[in-house]
Amino acid sequence: DTGVSQNPRHKITKRGQNVTFRCDPISEHNRLYWYRQTLGQGPEFLTYFQNEAQLEKSRLLSDRFSAERPKGSFSTLEIQRTEQGDSAMYLCASSLGSGGTETQYFGPGTRLLVL
Amino acid sequence: DQQVKQNSPSLSVQEGRISILNCDYTNSMFDYFLWYKKYPAEGPTFLISISSIKDKNEDGRFTVFLNKSAKHLSLHIVPSQPGDSAVYFCAARGKLQFGAGTQVVVTP
Repeated sequence: DTGVSQNPRHKITKRGQNVTFRCDPISEHNRLYWYRQTLGQGPEFLTYFQNEAQLEKSRLLSDRFSAERPKGSFSTLEIQRTEQGDSAMYLCASSLGSGGTETQYFGPGTRLLVL
Repeated sequence: DQQVKQNSPSLSVQEGRISILNCDYTNSMFDYFLWYKKYPAEGPTFLISISSIKDKNEDGRFTVFLNKSAKHLSLHIVPSQPGDSAVYFCAARGKLQFGAGTQVVVTP
């Protein structure tokens, strides 16, 4: 247990529905990252926050995806009008620092299946 | 555009022997590299890292070697133990860019 928690752990939804995932980072960590992992691939960066500011978004993050970290603590990732291609493991990680070399601690992930 | 590549999707090694996992990268601006280990149903956990100013970093049974001119790094696990059976990802720093992973199976 790294101290990063994600809920729910699994989500099955029908195409076209909206889903929201939550990540609770390690409490003193100022950086929070979202990644997506599909079968046979490594995690792919989606977006990250430093405190409450969303500093970067990958081009993988289409306009159906939105992430928030309103108080600089927990974060939510929402996918609107889900598509079958959104089926993946969504991983959250947190770290303390600003230089980019700090260790990221990952949560267990939320596995999404879109039918 | 896959900037971090792990070309061996799996590796089988006997307990007690050395496991060598390889990783290649294309972006010469990467200056910090990490290895993560992942068990099923868990998120990746940090294993070991190396800065580009070094060519070797050792932590117990785990050693990472970096060859900047070849844009290549490797992870050595010696001796391998059954508990090392997992998927190993190499990553390059910042918003981490991961390789596709290598599944290691250590047989008793």
